[in-house]
Amino acid sequence: EAQVTQNPRYLITVTGKKLTVTCSQNMNHEYMSWYRQDPGLGLRQIYYSMNVEVTDKGDVPEGYKVSRKEKRNFPLILESPSPNQTSLYFCASSFGGAQETQYFGPGTRLLVL
Amino acid sequence: DAKTTQPNSMESNEEEPVHLPCNHSTISGTDYIHWYRQLPSQGPEYVIHGLTSNVNNRMASLAIAEDRKSSTLILHRATLRDAAVYYCIRVNRIYNFNKFYFGSGTKLNVKP
Repeated sequence: EAQVTQNPRYLITVTGKKLTVTCSQNMNHEYMSWYRQDPGLGLRQIYYSMNVEVTDKGDVPEGYKVSRKEKRNFPLILESPSPNQTSLYFCASSFGGAQETQYFGPGTRLLVL
Repeated sequence: DAKTTQPNSMESNEEEPVHLPCNHSTISGTDYIHWYRQLPSQGPEYVIHGLTSNVNNRMASLAIAEDRKSSTLILHRATLRDAAVYYCIRVNRIYNFNKFYFGSGTKLNVKP
């Protein structure tokens, strides 16, 4: 089944403790992206990747890192999480064109205490 | 994206058409317009997209203004399963990089 998977789905952590949210897709997509969703602010793009080893900042990259060492995986890294990074995170993937459909993962709900 | 504006909410009766508006007044010539919807506790899912011409698919129609500064998503016969938050998105492509700018979304309520 074609899908985007994220792990974990729920995470409670404390300020400053490094964490990684994994994202994997099985559709051979070039493009992958991370978003955060906050009440009243909608979805905002954090980072995206056009292909292996090609990444760029979205609207809200501060406090996040990404890497794209393999085509199927695009982990989101929070080196030193803070409470303002409490949010719902979505990973998405698509083929490379701007007209292509993005497929979203189920979301990861993160609470930073 | 402050430059992509949508009404916060709309209401429709079941089986009636729904027109969801979006303003994207600063859209550039190569930006695509996408619409996605999000059901409760799920990730967004694709509805339709377009560049300049009106588009139809099995889910909906997309009407794009001639100056491309606005668009309207049309659900021809709303069902209870269409109750969701609908996002209008401007996709900006520069130097082969795609940036997605989401509007704040319109929550559609469908009454039986």
